[in-house]
Amino acid sequence: GAVVSQHPSWVICKSGTSVKIECRSLDFQATTMFWYRQFPKQSLMLMATSNEGSKATYEQGVEKDKFLINHASLTLSTLTVTSAHPEDSSFYICSAPIAGNATDTQYFGPGTRLTVL
Amino acid sequence: GNSVTQMEGPVTLSEEAFLTINCTYTATGYPSLFWYVQYPGEGLQLLLKATKADDKGSNKGFEATYRKETTSFHLEKGSVQVSDSAVYFCALKGSYIPTFGRGTSLIVHP
Repeated sequence: GAVVSQHPSWVICKSGTSVKIECRSLDFQATTMFWYRQFPKQSLMLMATSNEGSKATYEQGVEKDKFLINHASLTLSTLTVTSAHPEDSSFYICSAPIAGNATDTQYFGPGTRLTVL
Repeated sequence: GNSVTQMEGPVTLSEEAFLTINCTYTATGYPSLFWYVQYPGEGLQLLLKATKADDKGSNKGFEATYRKETTSFHLEKGSVQVSDSAVYFCALKGSYIPTFGRGTSLIVHP
């Protein structure tokens, strides 16, 4: 099956620093990738849709200047949390459909645990 | 807009018990429906899916039937195991953006 990787799997940083999280589709091309934040008690919040070759589409309430998304190629999207603060501590997950079909299965990365001290 | 409603957890069962996790949805058009599972400390992975009305998705003993008349996609398993303990997410995907339920935690005791 399709594989999506994320790096790093966990990161601890100081308040005020920036952290970059990578999401890669390893065996397929992904023109679209989705970034989620998972809160305690399991709920998934869609943050933004990353589009290869164009600007990301952010969901309402998500600060685009704080959560920078770059879809550099058909296999890589990055999420940079700028000037991180303790309230940004969370589990960040990316997903990608394989291609084209609007009803494609989402393939998820294993997630990145961010802890901001 | 689209939405997915799941029963709140946690659902706590003994091994070999019957499982039902309810899921209902609101959507325009004819979305595909999915169940994803998240084991502790891991990302989500597809459990099963159905792409049109009356389709039944199945995998690892789990089943769910796409019921358009009741806008439901309930997850069932006849005999759960301790290894099924995880969080289960119901989801739909229509034209573009996937929509997820809040997740239901399942705890299975020996």
